[in-house]
Amino acid sequence: QQQVRQSPQSLTVWEGETAILNCSYENSAFDYFPWYQQFPGEGPALLIAIRSVSDKKEDGRFTIFFNKREKKLSLHITDSQPGDSATYFCAASDSGSWQLIFGSGTQLTVMP
Amino acid sequence: GPKVLQIPSHQIIDMGQMVTLNCDPVSNHLYFYWYKQILGQQMEFLVNFYNGKVMEKSKLFKDQFSVERPDGSYFTLKIQPTALEDSAVYFCASSSQGAGTEVFFGKGTRLTVV
Repeated sequence: QQQVRQSPQSLTVWEGETAILNCSYENSAFDYFPWYQQFPGEGPALLIAIRSVSDKKEDGRFTIFFNKREKKLSLHITDSQPGDSATYFCAASDSGSWQLIFGSGTQLTVMP
Repeated sequence: GPKVLQIPSHQIIDMGQMVTLNCDPVSNHLYFYWYKQILGQQMEFLVNFYNGKVMEKSKLFKDQFSVERPDGSYFTLKIQPTALEDSAVYFCASSSQGAGTEVFFGKGTRLTVV
């Protein structure tokens, strides 16, 4: 049973467009949701994170929208750049656990 | 930013042999983790290590797996004996604080068991 689901599996947008990456989860106890960005040959790097007490977190061109009732969140990348082309992982954890539960990732391609 | 270093980047081992994966965590971090990623699948938690002890492990952390960090040197994952299904990329990670804080990942070690 997959506790964290991501869609779409892959996404292509043009430079300057907004990319929207979706994530949903099963466990109501999850309260911390980091998004990781991974380039080929590299490890995942934390991009932005949100806690369940908030419904929005913004950092430059990256914004997380969080809907606790529906157990859904999304990552919006505005003014997408070719350098944003990477795989994006949504993850979740609860305060009582050390482990991050990862989704299967969305591969984003930004065309120039 | 802070770097987690993993050595080697790729290792090929015969089934049944022992393998040790090495990780050099971020220098002032106290919490250490191993994750496993099979090709095409999501990354899955194996174990968390703090203050010389395993704090939490998943069902993927089989009896053949062990972790240690002797005298503040490398944080290691040892698999003895290895099995074909252990072939995966293993990511080491570390954090300065506990659950719900930023975790830094290494580039991974690709383990191939033949």
